[in-house]
Amino acid sequence: DGGITQSPKYLFRKEGQNVTLSCEQNLNHDAMYWYRQDPGQGLRLIYYSQIVNDFQKGDIAEGYSVSREKKESFPLTVTSAQKNPTAFYLCASSIASQVLQPQHFGDGTRLSIL
Amino acid sequence: SQQGEEDPQALSIQEGENATMNCSYKTSINNLQWYRQNSGRGLVHLILIRSNEREKHSGRLRVTLDTSKKSSSLLITASRAADTASYFCATGLTGTYKYIFGTGTRLKVLA
Repeated sequence: DGGITQSPKYLFRKEGQNVTLSCEQNLNHDAMYWYRQDPGQGLRLIYYSQIVNDFQKGDIAEGYSVSREKKESFPLTVTSAQKNPTAFYLCASSIASQVLQPQHFGDGTRLSIL
Repeated sequence: SQQGEEDPQALSIQEGENATMNCSYKTSINNLQWYRQNSGRGLVHLILIRSNEREKHSGRLRVTLDTSKKSSSLLITASRAADTASYFCATGLTGTYKYIFGTGTRLKVLA
């Protein structure tokens, strides 16, 4: 079955540590996205990528980094510069188009501070 | 600030009743989408309505779009306990690749 896989489901970060969240899709989508969701809130865009080896900052990119070396993979690193990383992180993909297409989401990674 | 704002923030109804939630946005759009999120899960796409459409149906879902008022509504008819979830609208700025999600409506359907 086609879909998006995020791992791990739960992740704990120590002070000063960088952690990487994995996102893999087998939908052959060009566009991939990372969102942050805080309790009871909507989604805020961290980074997005429309094509391999290219990505753009979203609204809250500070303290995060990404790479897009393969079409199917879009890992997110939460760096030690992100002082409030506790949140639910969602990865999504879609067909790349200037007319926005439906997004497919993974089941998220919940990140907490130790 | 987020472009989409849903209201109400929370809604509690009895099984079998209809649920209506609304979304407002600020700028020109190509389309507007509605998503559902079950607790602790990712979002699932429900329905897309284009800017030149006024109403669209999918099963028990009915979506309306009023571009003059920059608003949309999602109606779920004959609700079921399984409809309990948060519902989000999403729009995109014309000419960009960015989706903007609202703050969501938390729907609870009581059996």
